[in-house]
Amino acid sequence: KQEVTQIPAALSVPEGENLVLNCSFTDSAIYNLQWFRQDPGKGLTSLLLIQSSQREQTSGRLNASLDKSSGRSTLYIAASQPGDSATYLCAACSSGSARQLTFGSGTQLTVLP
Amino acid sequence: EAGVAQSPRYKIIEKRQSVAFWCNPISGHATLYWYQQILGQGPKLLIQFQNNGVVDDSQLPKDRFSAERLKGVDSTLKIQPAKLEDSAVYLCASSLELASGKGEQYFGPGTRLTVT
Repeated sequence: KQEVTQIPAALSVPEGENLVLNCSFTDSAIYNLQWFRQDPGKGLTSLLLIQSSQREQTSGRLNASLDKSSGRSTLYIAASQPGDSATYLCAACSSGSARQLTFGSGTQLTVLP
Repeated sequence: EAGVAQSPRYKIIEKRQSVAFWCNPISGHATLYWYQQILGQGPKLLIQFQNNGVVDDSQLPKDRFSAERLKGVDSTLKIQPAKLEDSAVYLCASSLELASGKGEQYFGPGTRLTVT
């Protein structure tokens, strides 16, 4: 059974800092790895999706990497802004036909002005 | 393109009452998911539909939870009777056919349920 862990559970940084969020998963047989953002009282917004054959994906100030062999993914946020404050969730997508997501508990990020 | 719609957005009920949530997926999306997200945790899959058939309901507490997807479009999730531990956000998501696409899921805004 897939288990996904995110460390740290909470992170507070001053505006402008670069930061890294960590995600680990126990079963390396994944179809893809997805990063989501969740704002209070809102649903999940997809940020980046890395296919199992890829090593990284970039979108603007965000860069996500994937190392299947070690069961790790990182989300790098450059030049953080107060608007980046949210909870960041990673999810491992199963390689079976059902394509199911197993989520971590998230990292709650606060960027201080 | 319209996103995944859910209603109601908020619901407060007393324990042992019943409640129903509604979800309308993105047009053309064959796969629909219901998740339960307890405060401080990540979403947990409750049930997955492909068109109007159930793909996986292994984590659905079937003694009190039920779900259906009539005509392979809209879906309802029902809880009867509700317990205090059912207090959570219920998220609906949809995606294209399982055999195609990147496995990307699109989420609705969720329904926040409080059981008192």
